[in-house]
Amino acid sequence: AQKVTQAQTEISVVEKEDVTLDCVYETRDTTYYLFWYKQPPSGELVFLIRRNSFDEQNEISGRYSWNFQKSTSSFNFTITASQVVDSAVYFCALSEAESSGTYKYIFGTGTRLKVLA
Amino acid sequence: EAGVAQSPRYKIIEKRQSVAFWCNPISGHATLYWYQQILGQGPKLLIQFQNNGVVDDSQLPKDRFSAERLKGVDSTLKIQPAKLEDSAVYLCASSHGQVSTDTQYFGPGTRLTVL
Repeated sequence: AQKVTQAQTEISVVEKEDVTLDCVYETRDTTYYLFWYKQPPSGELVFLIRRNSFDEQNEISGRYSWNFQKSTSSFNFTITASQVVDSAVYFCALSEAESSGTYKYIFGTGTRLKVLA
Repeated sequence: EAGVAQSPRYKIIEKRQSVAFWCNPISGHATLYWYQQILGQGPKLLIQFQNNGVVDDSQLPKDRFSAERLKGVDSTLKIQPAKLEDSAVYLCASSHGQVSTDTQYFGPGTRLTVL
């Protein structure tokens, strides 16, 4: 069965520190997709990245970077030089095909990041 | 490009009352999703539409929840009658393609409080 685990419930860092948010997933499929979303206090989930299971290249976008390791079923997210505006809840999500042919989208429980000035 | 619109943003009702939420997806997006997000948890998929047909409603409590997407555009989610445990944020999302491996774009949500 699919499962997404974000073991860190809440992390607090001081501005300019680097921080890594962990995401571990379980899937029986070889084809799947992983996502990260940011949910600021306003409540709207903001898409950050989508990665398919065949692309293990790490990705960097500005201060954000993602490390995908199939060997450990992890898709971790690092924010470099954190800023107060990075304070939000971050969700990791997994999408894989069900036996019925549809795709199931499963979210983790989220990690609340607090960046202190 | 306009994002996903939802209304109302907030709703407070008594238990056993009815409530309805509305969602307008991004123009041209074939797939629409309704999620329930209870405080402190990740979003849980309630129902997924592809155009105006239901793809997955396995987690929708059908005894009290219903949803429709007429004409394959706007959608409404209804709860009748509401229970205390229905207090949550109801999120609508849409994606361009017809499978949920596509990126989903979310609306601001409707925060429901059931007293």
